[in-house]
Amino acid sequence: AQSVTQPDIHITVSEGASLELRCNYSYGATPYLFWYVQSPGQGLQLLLKYFSGDTLVQGIKGFEAEFKRSQSSFNLRKPSVHWSDAAEYFCAVGHYNTDKLIFGTGTRLQVFP
Amino acid sequence: NAGVTQTPKFQVLKTGQSMTLQCAQDMNHNSMYWYRQDPGMGLRLIYYSASEGTTDKGEVPNGYNVSRLNKREFSLRLESAAPSQTSVYFCASSGDRSRGTEAFFGQGTRLTVV
Repeated sequence: AQSVTQPDIHITVSEGASLELRCNYSYGATPYLFWYVQSPGQGLQLLLKYFSGDTLVQGIKGFEAEFKRSQSSFNLRKPSVHWSDAAEYFCAVGHYNTDKLIFGTGTRLQVFP
Repeated sequence: NAGVTQTPKFQVLKTGQSMTLQCAQDMNHNSMYWYRQDPGMGLRLIYYSASEGTTDKGEVPNGYNVSRLNKREFSLRLESAAPSQTSVYFCASSGDRSRGTEAFFGQGTRLTVV
């Protein structure tokens, strides 16, 4: 069965510091992978996605993620965090032959000035 | 350019009451989803519908029913609400997964069962 693990429940960084949020998945075939962001009281907004091709994908707001098949990972990175990046981040996995889209438990990011 | 619209935004129910959460999308998507979001548990899939006329159980279907009324609308019904169903509910839709389309989310329904 598909599953997604986000090992970090809560991360705190200083503004301007670099960021890496971890995501590991379990799936028998090459999955589709997504990162979403949720601001308080809001719905989810897509940051970036991986379907095929280049394993380093660029997203909105300066985020990028790298698909590493050997490690079953799809970690999200940003070189310099802004206070407005404080939010909850969700990794999700899908596949072309199923309409299921499974989410991880999320990582809450706090940014200190 | 509404995207995914959910109603209501807030609801308080008494234990045992029933209600239906409505969801409509205007993006001509085939697939629609209902998730619940609880602190520390992320989004858990309740039911999904790959196309009009089909529905499938997700991770946590017990206590819920769904109807895919047409291509645009996908409703979630709680027949006899329980406090454990207090949650934030999100509806989502997506296009052809084989073409790499992502899911688009509504703004959520905050449901409290007392």
